Amino acid sequence: AQRVTQPEKLLSVFKGAPVELKCNYSYSGSPELFWYVQYSRQRLQLLLRHISRESIKGFTADLNKGETSFHLKKPFAQEEDSAMYYCALSGWGKLQFGAGTQVVVTP
Amino acid sequence: SAVISQKPSRDICQRGTSLTIQCQVDSQVTMMFWYRQQPGQSLTLIATANQGSEATYESGFVIDKFPISRPNLTFSTLTVSNMSPEDSSIYLCSAVAGGYTDTQYFGPGTRLTVL
Repeated sequence: AQRVTQPEKLLSVFKGAPVELKCNYSYSGSPELFWYVQYSRQRLQLLLRHISRESIKGFTADLNKGETSFHLKKPFAQEEDSAMYYCALSGWGKLQFGAGTQVVVTP
Repeated sequence: SAVISQKPSRDICQRGTSLTIQCQVDSQVTMMFWYRQQPGQSLTLIATANQGSEATYESGFVIDKFPISRPNLTFSTLTVSNMSPEDSSIYLCSAVAGGYTDTQYFGPGTRLTVL
């Protein structure tokens, strides 16, 4: 069965500290994985996807098929990174979301 | 990219009534979806809105409760029928302009409260 797990509901970090959001998945085929972000009072938007292997706003995520993980990382957190982050798995365009991780960056 | 608008942005409804939510995209898109986000929960896919044919529903969602229309490539509606307080959620429309791996854009959501 298809499943996305984000074990941390809340992640509190200090500005300038590294941040890592965990995401594990189960999927029988070749996964398409995404990270979506929702800033306060804004709509959900794509942060990055594994297929493009790009860095957005300093965030990177590597797909590890052996560990079935797609963790999101940033070496130096900024206050503007405070938001809700969702890991999502796509099957034929349909997204299955993890529970989400609320990130709070304190100065 | 695709810019998506939804109407209404929020509503408060009485139990037993129905509400239709509209989703408008500023360009033609290949796929449109409807999601539900219950209070304190993540997003759950309700159905894929198919242009010119019946929507494809996910497990746990049925057409009688959530009838969906998609008359063209830029517009879709979701009706929440015979509402109960358990239907209080944010309902989101999304769209993909290209293939399955392309970016999925989301509307701002419709916040529904059922009394």
